[in-house]
Amino acid sequence: NAGVTQTPKFQVLKTGQSMTLQCAQDMNHEYMSWYRQDPGMGLRLIHYSVGAGITDQGEVPNGYNVSRSTTEDFPLRLLSAAPSQTSVYFCASSYSRTDLALAGNTDTQYFGPGTRLTVL
Amino acid sequence: GQNIDQPTEMTATEGAIVQINCTYQTSGFNGLFWYQQHAGEAPTFLSYNVLDGLEEKGRFSSFLSRSKGYSYLLLKELQMKDSASYLCAVMDSNYQLIWGAGTKLIIKP
Repeated sequence: NAGVTQTPKFQVLKTGQSMTLQCAQDMNHEYMSWYRQDPGMGLRLIHYSVGAGITDQGEVPNGYNVSRSTTEDFPLRLLSAAPSQTSVYFCASSYSRTDLALAGNTDTQYFGPGTRLTVL
Repeated sequence: GQNIDQPTEMTATEGAIVQINCTYQTSGFNGLFWYQQHAGEAPTFLSYNVLDGLEEKGRFSSFLSRSKGYSYLLLKELQMKDSASYLCAVMDSNYQLIWGAGTKLIIKP
């Protein structure tokens, strides 16, 4: 299993450009999410999906769109990039949202390697 | 609002013991997680507590007191490879994870 994969690893955009960050998992996980990580702040949830065809907003959804046409893929689209979107983006997946609460000592949430995005 | 507090940075010596604290105020509680994150890498799962008490896993232990909104991660026999950030996260009543900003742990020889 490849786990959770993200592309690209690094990206530089100009203000106003649009792009899509790709995320895929091969573990048949229902729950997928996108976070951004900024210095001095905790991971912040952008959007999440509890299954194919279902998406919902997280804490900081403005400026981002997502879709979930298949169980495996959960792309994040930046509509019109702004310098405030300079960040590290992580995609994560697990069997279900509530599965995290039933984890016990089991590692059930997996993160992708991250995409480092700079908007000039 | 929801809030997770942990120290920004800590320094410890190789071979020693260090305790990283985490206090939280959240809307409901469905468990507390600790993750390790090396610089430039993704977070990786360390531990999960949902009941009060101590969970031990090798050199790492995690403690939870729900009444005090408090947890700590205890790292024993520190190794240089333990230099990383340690993230505390709480799952709230909506099963959403609320993350602390992380504690950067520096290990000195």
